[in-house]
Amino acid sequence: DQQVKQNSPSLSVQEGRISILNCDYTNSMFDYFLWYKKYPAEGPTFLISISSIKDKNEDGRFTVFLNKSAKHLSLHIVPSQPGDSAVYFCAGTGGSQGNLIFGKGTKLSVKP
Amino acid sequence: DAGVTQSPTHLIKTRGQQVTLRCSPKSGHDTVSWYQQALGQGPQFIFQYYEEEERQRGNFPDRFSGHQFPNYSSELNVNALLLGDSALYLCASSLVPDLTGELFFGEGSRLTVL
Repeated sequence: DQQVKQNSPSLSVQEGRISILNCDYTNSMFDYFLWYKKYPAEGPTFLISISSIKDKNEDGRFTVFLNKSAKHLSLHIVPSQPGDSAVYFCAGTGGSQGNLIFGKGTKLSVKP
Repeated sequence: DAGVTQSPTHLIKTRGQQVTLRCSPKSGHDTVSWYQQALGQGPQFIFQYYEEEERQRGNFPDRFSGHQFPNYSSELNVNALLLGDSALYLCASSLVPDLTGELFFGEGSRLTVL
């Protein structure tokens, strides 16, 4: 039973354009969501998060949107840069869970 | 400021053997979590240690055990290795326990079971 789903295994975007990565969740107990970025041969690094009481959080080129009624969140990267090419993981946490529940990830390729 | 460090980075074992992986948390952190990342999957929570005790555990068999030392470093032990245990094992540290869920990950230990 996948509690966090990232249905797009890969995404290719031109440099300078917007990248939109999507994530769906099923667990209503989640009260905090995070995005992690992972380069090959490195551990995941925290990118941005959002509390369930908000619907938007912005940090520089990165914005996360949360639609609680649809149990859907998305990460927007504007403008996209070649250095953004990585695997992006969506994760949820909350309720009795102190751990993170990750999706399978979306591999983003930003082409020059 | 040292981040999360893990050792070894790569290792190869055969079925039935036992393995120990080690982790030193980021400076100032006292909570350590372990994750297993199989190929093509997201990291999956194994367990979390705080104050030298296992505080939470994911859906992993008892073959997976751990320990946290007084200096907050941690070990992950896997007994009776199976082919399916081949994966990247990630250690993550956090403040205590950080309710925002933000974790700092190490580079991982890649285990191959033959």
